[in-house]
Amino acid sequence: AQSVTQPDIHITVSEGASLELRCNYSYGATPYLFWYVQSPGQGLQLLLKYFSGDTLVQGIKGFEAEFKRSQSSFNLRKPSVHWSDAAEYFCAVVGNAGNMLTFGGGTRLMVKP
Amino acid sequence: DAGVIQSPRHEVTEMGQEVTLRCKPISGHDYLFWYRQTMMRGLELLIYFNNNVPIDDSGMPEDRFSAKMPNASFSTLKIQPSEPRDSAVYFCASSVTSGGANEQFFGPGTRLTVL
Repeated sequence: AQSVTQPDIHITVSEGASLELRCNYSYGATPYLFWYVQSPGQGLQLLLKYFSGDTLVQGIKGFEAEFKRSQSSFNLRKPSVHWSDAAEYFCAVVGNAGNMLTFGGGTRLMVKP
Repeated sequence: DAGVIQSPRHEVTEMGQEVTLRCKPISGHDYLFWYRQTMMRGLELLIYFNNNVPIDDSGMPEDRFSAKMPNASFSTLKIQPSEPRDSAVYFCASSVTSGGANEQFFGPGTRLTVL
């Protein structure tokens, strides 16, 4: 069965600083990988997804993520964080069930002015 | 498109009462998912449907929980009787089959408080 680990429960960065959120997955074949963002009191919104091809994927709001098979990782990055990026971020994987998402525990991002 | 619609947005009830949460998926989507989110357990998949048929309900915690999808545009999640430990945010999500693993679109959630 697939699993996802987000090692950092909380991260605080200063506005304008760069950001990297870590995600490690466990799955026997090539996974489908997703990053979602959840603002307080809201549902989840898709930031980006990886299915195949170029291992560096671009998403909305200036985010990107890089798939590294050798490290079983799919880390999320942003070069310059804005105060509005404060939210909880979830990495997720789809395995052999086709459409069933397995979520990581989430990383809560706080942005200092 | 209006997106996934959930109602009510907030529900406060007393222990032992029946609770019904409702979801309208995005038109044309053939998968529907129910999730529960708590601080302790994070996001958990409870059950999902494909073409209105329940495919996997292994995440449903107990027999007190039941879910139905009578047609392509409506689903319910029912808890009877409710208990304080059921307090959580319940999300509905939908997706459409298009040849690969597909993005799930989430509703705003229903925050349930059982007193």
